[in-house]
Amino acid sequence: DVKVTQSSRYLVKRTGEKVFLECVQDMDHENMFWYRQDPGLGLRLIYFSYDVKMKEKGDIPEGYSVSREKKERFSLILESASTNQTSMYLCASSPHLPTQYFGPGTRLTVL
Amino acid sequence: GESVGLHLPTLSVQEGDNSIINCAYSNSASDYFIWYKQESGKGPQFIIDIRSNMDKRQGQRVTVLLNKTVKHLSLQIAATQPGDSAVYFCAEAGGSNYKLTFGKGTLLTVNP
Repeated sequence: DVKVTQSSRYLVKRTGEKVFLECVQDMDHENMFWYRQDPGLGLRLIYFSYDVKMKEKGDIPEGYSVSREKKERFSLILESASTNQTSMYLCASSPHLPTQYFGPGTRLTVL
Repeated sequence: GESVGLHLPTLSVQEGDNSIINCAYSNSASDYFIWYKQESGKGPQFIIDIRSNMDKRQGQRVTVLLNKTVKHLSLQIAATQPGDSAVYFCAEAGGSNYKLTFGKGTLLTVNP
C-alpha cells in the first residue's frame, strides 16, 4: 500500500508566523504535490515537484514556497501566514503520472 | 477554460441499493480519469481509474463507465454500504504534464 503521511492533522497558527507543513512518502515516488481544499472551490494545486530539488508552480503559488531536499519529503512553507490561508492542505505522491495518492491532510487555522 | 463538473451535488440511497455518481468533463483531450472517495476529515482515497481507450472498467464493487461521445463519466457502486458514505469526485488528466483537474464532488449518503 502507498503510504503518504503529513506531519500534523490539525494546526493553529497566528497571522505573520512562518509555517512548515511536512509530507513524507515511503514508496520512492518521484512526483509529489501540494494542494489546498476549500468548500466550493475543490482541490487547487499550489506546487509540485518531479524530482529532488525540482519544483514547479501550480495554480495558486502566491504566498507559498516549497522544498524538496530528499526524494521522500516535500515541504510546504507559508512565509508569513495570513487568515486567507486557513484551509485543508493535502499532499499527494505519484509513482507515475497522472495517478496520485493523497495523505490524510492538515487542517490549518490562521488566527 | 476547461473544467470538470458533476451533475448532482448530493445523492442519498438506501443500504444495499446500487449508487450511480455522474461527472461531466469538457476537455476532449483528456485521456485519463480517476475517481476518488473522501470521507469527512480525511484525504482523498484513490478508487479506480480509466483511460480514454476504454469504455468500462470494474473493480471491487465499483464500475467506472466512460462515454467519450457525450464526455460523461460515471461511478457505479454495487450494494452500497454505510461505509460508502463520503464525497466522491472525479479528476481528469491529459497533455504532456498530466496535471489533474478535479471536480467539486458529490456527497453520497447511505441510509441504513
